[in-house]
Amino acid sequence: GAVVSQHPSWVICKSGTSVKIECRSLDFQATTMFWYRQFPKQSLMLMATSNEGSKATYEQGVEKDKFLINHASLTLSTLTVTSAHPEDSSFYICSASQDSAEAFFGQGTRLTVV
Amino acid sequence: LAKTTQPISMDSYEGQEVNITCSHNNIATNDYITWYQQFPSQGPRFIIQGYKTKVTNEVASLFIPADRKSSTLSLPRVSLSDTAVYYCLVGDGDTGRRALTFGSGTRLQVQP
Repeated sequence: GAVVSQHPSWVICKSGTSVKIECRSLDFQATTMFWYRQFPKQSLMLMATSNEGSKATYEQGVEKDKFLINHASLTLSTLTVTSAHPEDSSFYICSASQDSAEAFFGQGTRLTVV
Repeated sequence: LAKTTQPISMDSYEGQEVNITCSHNNIATNDYITWYQQFPSQGPRFIIQGYKTKVTNEVASLFIPADRKSSTLSLPRVSLSDTAVYYCLVGDGDTGRRALTFGSGTRLQVQP
C-alpha cells in the first residue's frame, strides 16, 4: 500500500513555543490530507481537512490560528501548533489518499508540552 | 453518518478465534463497513471492508447479515501481536474521499 510518513515521531517542547509536524505522502500525490488528534485512551478526532493550494477546513472547536495547516505541495502538509500549552499534548495523526479509494495513515506524532 | 456501537474491550488467549461485533442500526443503503486496527502510538491500519454477506482476506473475515444493521470482525487464531484497538466505521466505501469518523473502538487484549 501507499506510504504516509510523519515527522517527527515524537517531540517535547516548552510551553509557549511552536512545533511543526510534517506529513508526507512518499510514493503518491495527495490532493487532500486529514489531520486528527487522539488523547490517551480515546478515539481519533478530526481536526481539519488540508487541501493542496488552498486554506484548510477546520472542524468546529479547533482554533485555526493555533493549529496552522499548510499544504504547499501534493506530497506535503504541515501542522504547526503555535504557543503550545500542556493541554495540547496529544497524539497527532495525518492521513492521505491517492485516488480517494483508501485512506493511508501516518505513524503519528506524539507531542508533549512541558 | 451512521453511529456505531462496539464493546469497549475484549480479552482472549493466543490461538483462539476472536469475534468483535459492531452495531450500526442506521446504516444507509450506500454505506460500506470498514474496520481499522490501531496499535499503541501508531496510526490506524486498514483491515477489511465489506458491503454485505461475507468478505475474507489474509488477515480477517467480515460477516454482515442481510439487514446490515450489524457486522462481525473475525480474527482467526489470534496472537499476542493482535493486541490493539479495533474500530468499526460506516460510510462511503472510498475511505480516502472523506474524513473518517472513528467511534470508541474495541480494545482487544490477547494473553499468552
